[in-house]
Amino acid sequence: DAGVIQSPRHEVTEMGQEVTLRCKPISGHDYLFWYRQTMMRGLELLIYFNNNVPIDDSGMPEDRFSAKMPNASFSTLKIQPSEPRDSAVYFCASTKGDRRPDTQYFGPGTRLTVL
Amino acid sequence: AQSVAQPEDQVNVAEGNPLTVKCTYSVSGNPYLFWYVQYPNRGLQFLLKYITGDNLVKGSYGFEAEFNKSQTSFHLKKPSALVSDSALYFCAVRDHNQGGKLIFGQGTELSVKP
Repeated sequence: DAGVIQSPRHEVTEMGQEVTLRCKPISGHDYLFWYRQTMMRGLELLIYFNNNVPIDDSGMPEDRFSAKMPNASFSTLKIQPSEPRDSAVYFCASTKGDRRPDTQYFGPGTRLTVL
Repeated sequence: AQSVAQPEDQVNVAEGNPLTVKCTYSVSGNPYLFWYVQYPNRGLQFLLKYITGDNLVKGSYGFEAEFNKSQTSFHLKKPSALVSDSALYFCAVRDHNQGGKLIFGQGTELSVKP
């Protein structure tokens, strides 16, 4: 298996622009997680899905952030409009579980820089 | 609330020496504990987990972790450190009360010098 795939790996954009990050989970996994990592705040869980349904979005920082999972093999995290403080590495992770998620497998991350 | 603490921001070890990266936890119920490693510019990689059973858990790359219920600790260990073990290490606990999501510690930077 190719593992969790994220694109793009690097994104540089200007403040106010829309940014879309993409994730393809490992085939057969039914949980998908979006994390953000910064030096100041460490690793933060933004949102996670089970069977394509958002379960917990309490970590989404504000309305500028939105996430979707239209099918079992694809998810997006969108920031509109982007701000410099959104600069971070964004990770997607997936796993499978019976009522509870098991070991999570992480993608390589997208390094976002907002100028 | 479930939580984990990694009391050391950085650990320095000489190559060939044993290493320990500390983690303590606070959970209600039985703890499900994990260790992940992050190499520079990479995603987190799963090392090992404790669910139940033997208190000494063996994982990838020669790492092991010891679960100690009385001390609420889950320290990561390796008998002989390699320079290539230098990375950021995260301890995590599964939050049973919030759908099973992982709660991560702040991370410990391990530096192994030749």
